[in-house]
Amino acid sequence: AQSVSQHNHHVILSEAASLELGCNYSYGGTVNLFWYVQYPGQHLQLLLKYFSGDPLVKGIKGFEAEFIKSKFSFNLRKPSVQWSDTAEYFCAVNEGTGSYQLTFGKGTKLSVIP
Amino acid sequence: NAGVMQNPRHLVRRRGQEARLRCSPMKGHSHVYWYRQLPEEGLKFMVYLQKENIIDESGMPKERFSAEFPKEGPSILRIQQVVRGDSAAYFCASNTAGTGDTIYFGEGSWLTVV
Repeated sequence: AQSVSQHNHHVILSEAASLELGCNYSYGGTVNLFWYVQYPGQHLQLLLKYFSGDPLVKGIKGFEAEFIKSKFSFNLRKPSVQWSDTAEYFCAVNEGTGSYQLTFGKGTKLSVIP
Repeated sequence: NAGVMQNPRHLVRRRGQEARLRCSPMKGHSHVYWYRQLPEEGLKFMVYLQKENIIDESGMPKERFSAEFPKEGPSILRIQQVVRGDSAAYFCASNTAGTGDTIYFGEGSWLTVV
């Protein structure tokens, strides 16, 4: 069975600091990769996704992620965080051929201090 | 802009009672998914439904849990004889085409069993 690991449970940064959240998955075949964000009291929103092609994916709100197949990783990055980025971030994976089930990591809480 | 609508947002039930959680998918979406998030855990797939059909219920507990998506009306996740361990956030999601299509999540229903 697939598993997804998010390395950090809680990250605290000051505004303008750079962000990198780690995500590793266990499945060895073709995968689709996602990052979702959940702002306090709101639904999960899709930040970005990778299906194929350029392994550097750009998403909304200045976020990007890089798929490194050899490392089974899909880390999320943002060069300069803002207070409004305070949220919980979830990495998710599904198998690339005909699968609809998403396997989620446990999430990383990001707190940005003004 | 009606996204995936879930209600109630918060539900408190005593042990042994029934909980019913409702989900109206995004307009135009005919595929519905239910996920559960236990405290300090990532979201876990429970069930995938299309109108009047359960496609995959491999993530549903074998007893007390059931789901439906009738021809008319919202999808319902039903938990009979709730126990404390059922306390969790239940997220509904929907998309248009099952595999390969971005899944959109609702805001979740928080069940507390006292």
